[in-house]
Amino acid sequence: NAGVIQTPRHKVTGKGQEATLWCEPISGHSAVFWYRQTIVQGLEFLTYFRNQAPIDDSGMPKERFSAQMPNQSHSTLKIQSTQPQDSAVYLCASSWGGAETLYFGSGTRLTVL
Amino acid sequence: GDSVIQMQGQVTLSENDFLFINCTYSTTGYPTLFWYVQYSGEGPQLLLQVTTANNKGSSRGFEATYDKGTTSFHLQKTSVQEIDSAVYYCAMRDDTNAYKVIFGKGTHLHVLP
Repeated sequence: NAGVIQTPRHKVTGKGQEATLWCEPISGHSAVFWYRQTIVQGLEFLTYFRNQAPIDDSGMPKERFSAQMPNQSHSTLKIQSTQPQDSAVYLCASSWGGAETLYFGSGTRLTVL
Repeated sequence: GDSVIQMQGQVTLSENDFLFINCTYSTTGYPTLFWYVQYSGEGPQLLLQVTTANNKGSSRGFEATYDKGTTSFHLQKTSVQEIDSAVYYCAMRDDTNAYKVIFGKGTHLHVLP
């Protein structure tokens, strides 16, 4: 069991560019979560999928952030027109059905110059 | 709305010191409470959880008691070691919103050798 895999580990973009972050959940897990981590705000919930269906995206900034789960083996978080304030560590987590125990990946550190 | 409060952003101790990290929560529901630990370069991982009020959870020498009366879930360890240096997150899952886990802002523990 390789755990939750996130790629890339680090991404640097220029202001206004697009960034796509990838997550491969643990095989057999039906729930996938995305969180954003900063020193100031800690861990912020962004969005959640269950059985590939989007359930709640209440934490997503509406205009530039989107997430998809096209199949059970991966999810993507896309940020359009990145801004310096988007700089953070983006964490993906998966679980068996809901949020009994979240298994986190190591995260993608996004730096927007 | 639901919230988890960790007031201590950083704690510095020496080996064999007693650890106490504050955590309080606010919800109208019936929460499950968690402590997650994040080591440098990794994603958070579950340390312990408690589902039932007035119960205690323990793992690796850490303990936390779910106190419904004071809405607290403080983390304690009798004798910390240098390897315990990490960020500790208190978290809550409200059973009326079962999929979403809300995290506190985290407490960075630094244990000096």
